[in-house]
Amino acid sequence: DAGVIQSPRHEVTEMGQEVTLRCKPISGHDYLFWYRQTMMRGLELLIYFNNNVPIDDSGMPEDRFSAKMPNASFSTLKIQPSEPRDSAVYFCASQLETDTQYFGPGTRLTVL
Amino acid sequence: ILNVEQSPQSLHVQEGDSTNFTCSFPSSNFYALHWYRWETAKSPEALFVMTLNGDEKKKGRISATLNTKEGYSYLYIKGSQPEDSATYLCASPRGSTLGRLYFGRGTQLTVWP
Repeated sequence: DAGVIQSPRHEVTEMGQEVTLRCKPISGHDYLFWYRQTMMRGLELLIYFNNNVPIDDSGMPEDRFSAKMPNASFSTLKIQPSEPRDSAVYFCASQLETDTQYFGPGTRLTVL
Repeated sequence: ILNVEQSPQSLHVQEGDSTNFTCSFPSSNFYALHWYRWETAKSPEALFVMTLNGDEKKKGRISATLNTKEGYSYLYIKGSQPEDSATYLCASPRGSTLGRLYFGRGTQLTVWP
C-alpha cells in the first residue's frame, strides 16, 4: 500500500480564498483523522471519522472549517474563507480499529 | 493523571550518550500505549504499541517499558546519534472512544555531534 496520501503537499493562498485539502486513507482502514500542527498547540485533533461517519468535530476551530468523508477512500478538509492564522501543517491519518495510526506526509498551508 | 503527559519537554544530549524520557497516562481503564517518532518536516511514525503491564519493546537502540498499574512508560535510547534527533510522542486511547488517540505534547530530543 502507498500509505496515507495527502494533496496538495504545499498550498499558498490569499486571505479570503477557499482552501480544500484532500486525503486518501490506507485501504481497509476504518478510522480517519485530521490534525493540525502549530507551534502553540503542537499536534491538535480537528475531527475524526469512523466508517465515514464524523464522530467528534469538537476540535474544528470555527465554522469556517468543514470536513467530509463521502466514501471510505476519500476525505476533504475545507477552509472557507481562509485567514492567515490558519497557516499550519495539516495531517491526515488513518487507522484500522484500535491499531497503529498512520500519518500522511502533511499539507503545509500558508495564507497570506 | 487525567491526560497523557510527557517529560521533559526538551532534551539536549551529546552523541553517544544514553537517554530516557517519560510518558504518564491515566492508569484506570488502560487499553494501549503508543510511541511515535516525529522528525522535523516529516510526519509522525509509529515506534511501538504496548498493551501489557511489564511489556518491553525494542527497535535497534530504542526500547520502551510499560507500567500500567502506575500509569507510566519510559522510552530509552542507547548511544544517541544525531539522526535520533526528533520529537517523541506518546499516545493512549481512553474511555469509550478507543479509536481515538490522546497525544502528549512530546519530548523534543536534540543530539549534538
